[in-house]
Amino acid sequence: GQQLNQSPQSMFIQEGEDVSMNCTSSSIFNTWLWYKQDPGEGPVLLIALYKAGELTSNGRLTAQFGITRKDSFLNISASIPSDVGIYFCAGRTTSGTYKYIFGTGTRLKVLA
Amino acid sequence: EAQVTQNPRYLITVTGKKLTVTCSQNMNHEYMSWYRQDPGLGLRQIYYSMNVEVTDKGDVPEGYKVSRKEKRNFPLILESPSPNQTSLYFCASSPRVGMAGANVLTFGAGSRLTVL
Repeated sequence: GQQLNQSPQSMFIQEGEDVSMNCTSSSIFNTWLWYKQDPGEGPVLLIALYKAGELTSNGRLTAQFGITRKDSFLNISASIPSDVGIYFCAGRTTSGTYKYIFGTGTRLKVLA
Repeated sequence: EAQVTQNPRYLITVTGKKLTVTCSQNMNHEYMSWYRQDPGLGLRQIYYSMNVEVTDKGDVPEGYKVSRKEKRNFPLILESPSPNQTSLYFCASSPRVGMAGANVLTFGAGSRLTVL
């Protein structure tokens, strides 16, 4: 099945630093979702994007729906230790089926 | 509390022994889906259901069955489990298309299955 290209795969950062990750696809999406997964838990929604060019914030998190509708990025500002986890992007295709495609995840580790 | 509940959370079984992973949501969502998560492969869709009695294959349906007899429940059935089905499984749901938040998937906490 199709998957999104998500990068970076993993990153170590210092507490207080800003973090950026992105997802790209060869397909056009009508929705981009960003999730965080903590160890032993299911993914939890962080931000949902519905329109090309849309820029949405949730606290220290900011995400954008790319103009081409084939990409999205997530920024985390002033990272803290509890930001540790795996971040996934997901796109919903524009085809008739209710299809979600997931990125392979970015594993974030924050050094205090 | 609005949630998706999966059971069991952890299971170790042997090859060929039929098992069912249950999934229930209390949000009156029409859409439900099963995913498996494997290292380096992300989340892959197994089966999904647009509504009661409507199910369809995802990307990796081989070896699995599902049913949707009631709106709230969407069990995943492994008729004859094999070691390559060892994985972390997630159930998810979302509202009917056209409703607020329709494109947002809510996930369960996951079921870790080991087939020996």
